[in-house]
Amino acid sequence: AQSVAQPEDQVNVAEGNPLTVKCTYSVSGNPYLFWYVQYPNRGLQFLLKYITGDNLVKGSYGFEAEFNKSQTSFHLKKPSALVSDSALYFCAAYSGGYQKVTFGTGTKLQVIP
Amino acid sequence: EADIYQTPRYLVIGTGKKITLECSQTMGHDKMYWYQQDPGMELHLIHYSYGVNSTEKGDLSSESTVSRIRTEHFPLTLESARPSHTSQYLCASSVGGAKNIQYFGAGTRLSVL
Repeated sequence: AQSVAQPEDQVNVAEGNPLTVKCTYSVSGNPYLFWYVQYPNRGLQFLLKYITGDNLVKGSYGFEAEFNKSQTSFHLKKPSALVSDSALYFCAAYSGGYQKVTFGTGTKLQVIP
Repeated sequence: EADIYQTPRYLVIGTGKKITLECSQTMGHDKMYWYQQDPGMELHLIHYSYGVNSTEKGDLSSESTVSRIRTEHFPLTLESARPSHTSQYLCASSVGGAKNIQYFGAGTRLSVL
């Protein structure tokens, strides 16, 4: 089995400040890691993906994520938060052994003007 | 914006009714998925399909059934709805399997009274 943990139900950050949304994973073998964002009354939208290579992955809307194999983490970051970034963020993991994607429980990001 | 559509967006029905949630995609993706999203945000995979005439149950046991007669169409049916079925249902598709990006519909929010 595999699992994805998002330890924070909600993250509050002031507009213009850097933000971090945390994610840790447990998979067998090499993971594929994803971040998705969900706005109210919408489906999930893909933000970025790590397969292999550079540990810093750049994605949509200025977001990036850092893969850390030793800490089994894949934290989402943005240098300067916007109010429009307020949404629900999901981390997800896939491994060849499990053949399915596992989603985390989601983290609500609130950017305060 | 992904070309994957779910109807209806909202549905309120009485206990015991039969319902079908529609999901269609115009991207030609072979893989399709149904997720149930709890009020507390977590996503659970309930059904998936690798192609026409292929359907599998997901991680979360569900009384719903699915069919895949055409590549673009992946409806979900509840023969007899119950209040415990109240949830949001998200449909997604991908090309090449779950290790690739999934594209989500906007979801159907179901309330069973």
